[in-house]
Formats: sequence, C-alpha cells, structure tokens
Amino acid sequence: LAKTTQPISMDSYEGQEVNITCSHNNIATNDYITWYQQFPSQGPRFIIQGYKTKVTNEVASLFIPADRKSSTLSLPRVSLSDTAVYYCLVGNDYKLSFGAGTTVTVRA
Amino acid sequence: NAGVTQTPKFRVLKTGQSMTLLCAQDMNHEYMYWYRQDPGMGLRLIHYSVGEGTTAKGEVPDGYNVSRLKKQNFLLGLESAAPSQTSVYFCAGQQESNTEAFFGQGTRLTVV
Repeated sequence: LAKTTQPISMDSYEGQEVNITCSHNNIATNDYITWYQQFPSQGPRFIIQGYKTKVTNEVASLFIPADRKSSTLSLPRVSLSDTAVYYCLVGNDYKLSFGAGTTVTVRA
Repeated sequence: NAGVTQTPKFRVLKTGQSMTLLCAQDMNHEYMYWYRQDPGMGLRLIHYSVGEGTTAKGEVPDGYNVSRLKKQNFLLGLESAAPSQTSVYFCAGQQESNTEAFFGQGTRLTVV
C-alpha cells in the first residue's frame, strides 16, 4: 500500500474553499485515490475517488496531476457542518488503510 | 435496507471478560472489515474478510478473533478483555476493491 502524507489540521471560515493536498510518492500504476470524511462519533463516509485528472461530484472535487504523486481534495464554500477529519487512501485492493487524516475546522 | 449495523453500540467490560461484537450488512458486500479507533487517531485494521468463510489479520490483530460463517455477518471476539482494548470499534463492508466502503455507527467499548 502506498504511504500517504497529509496535513494534520487546517482551519477555514464559512464560505471559503478548502483544499487538502495528499502526497503519495510511491503510488502504484493500479492504485486509486479515495477520500473519506469522518464526523465525531461516526464512521467514515466515502466522499470521492479518482485515478487521474479531475473528478467532481456534488460534494467535492479531486484533482490529480499527471504524475499522480499527489492529489488535492477541494471542498467548495464550506459550512460549519464540514468540520470533520478527512482521510486520503491510496491503493488498489480491498485493504483499506487509514492514516491520521486532516482535521478541518470551519469557523463562522 | 439497513446498510451496515453494529451491535451493541456501547459496552463496559471487566478485565478478563469476553464478548462478541456483531456486524451485519444487507448490501451483499464481499469484503468486510473491523477497525479500532483510539482518541485522536486514525482507524487501525484489526481483521478483515474477503468472502464467506475467509478471514485474515490486519495490522493490530492480537487479542481479537473473527469469524465469517455467513456472508452478511462478521463477528469480532475478545476472549479476555484488557484495558488496552478500550476503544471505538468500526465495522465496514465493501462490494469489491476500489469501491465505496460503508461503515457502521461504531461500538464504544470500555474495559475496566
């Protein structure tokens, strides 16, 4: 499994865009990049997944450069309810491996 | 369609007692996982299963056993609970690799 590195914490304000970058220098050819969100006292929830270029859904966008050694999760116009821990996972098999994640705190 | 359901939600055990946590899913998941999460930390994989009748060790398997006799259920057992096993336990299910995983609501276990 590829090792990932992401910031421990980030602060933002309501209405701003939040970008979380995850480094995965040893990503393998068949690896996918997946992001999960976890609220306090809840299990993680799938946000978005991508392989290359850009993926967008109703919640977020995922930007992946050509070399795939990093990826950026973009949360547009965050609200207080987006305060959570965000995990970047890289792999191509069934073993989900979670690091410490990035704690995003959104302030009014 | 209940998704992934964990039983119980809370439990307090005395050191040395045993218990079983149940994870039930009605989403026809092939893969199922048990994680533990300690305060301020990420999830650590205890055991996982890639199909009915199969189980495998994750990164922190010591002190735990699992069984997957039926595809829809994944059981996590503690034979002799220790205070170090105080944690929040999450179960997850996944249809196949590289697809969305669905998590249960968690079980908060305290061992005194």
